[in-house]
Amino acid sequence: DGGITQSPKYLFRKEGQNVTLSCEQNLNHDAMYWYRQDPGQGLRLIYYSQIVNDFQKGDIAEGYSVSREKKESFPLTVTSAQKNPTAFYLCASSVQGTGFEQYFGPGTRLTVT
Amino acid sequence: AQSVAQPEDQVNVAEGNPLTVKCTYSVSGNPYLFWYVQYPNRGLQFLLKYITGDNLVKGSYGFEAEFNKSQTSFHLKKPSALVSDSALYFCAVRPNYGQNFVFGPGTRLSVLP
Repeated sequence: DGGITQSPKYLFRKEGQNVTLSCEQNLNHDAMYWYRQDPGQGLRLIYYSQIVNDFQKGDIAEGYSVSREKKESFPLTVTSAQKNPTAFYLCASSVQGTGFEQYFGPGTRLTVT
Repeated sequence: AQSVAQPEDQVNVAEGNPLTVKCTYSVSGNPYLFWYVQYPNRGLQFLLKYITGDNLVKGSYGFEAEFNKSQTSFHLKKPSALVSDSALYFCAVRPNYGQNFVFGPGTRLSVLP
C-alpha cells in the first residue's frame, strides 16, 4: 500500500450525518485522488487534486467535498446529500505526469444505516 | 468516450498452468496502460505498465502483459499460476493528454490447487 494511509479502516454512520475520511501520503506526490469502489463497477473517480489548494470534480462528485490545504493530505467528506454512501473508498497519489502509476491506500469501508 | 473492458468477470485456472486476464480499451491517441491487483479489503497494488517501446512488458511477481495496438488490447499473463495469485485484477488506461485514469470493472482470478 505504499506510503499512503487511510483512516479509519471501517466507519459506521447514521443516515443524515456528514463524515470525513482521512488520506495522508509521505511520497511527496503532487497529485492525489479519491475513488469509490462498488462491487462489479470497478473504480469511479470522485475528486482529484494536482496541486495544493486546487482540486477538480471527477465522474461522481455529487454529495462529496474535499480540501487540499497540505501536499500530504487530501480528506474526503461524504455529506448527507450523497444518496448511497455505503461503499469502499480508496485514496491514491501519483507523481505529476501521464506516464506515472498511482499508489493506493488500504481503503476505508463506510457503512451508512 | 474512453473505456476499458475486461470481458471476463471470473477466470479460473489450475495451479501451475498459464493464466491470461484480458483487457481491451477504447481511447484516442496513444494511451498509457496499467495493471493493478487487489486482495480482499485492501488497496490496489501496481503490477506493471506500458508507456512505449517493447510490446511485452514485465512486471512484479512474474506477471507480464502484451500490448497490441491493432487490437487495442493489453492482456495480462503469467506462465505458471500460483494459488496466491488469486485476487481481483484491474486494467487501467491513462490518456496521454490528460491526468485521469479509466479503470476496467475488474476480473476475479481464482487459482485452484
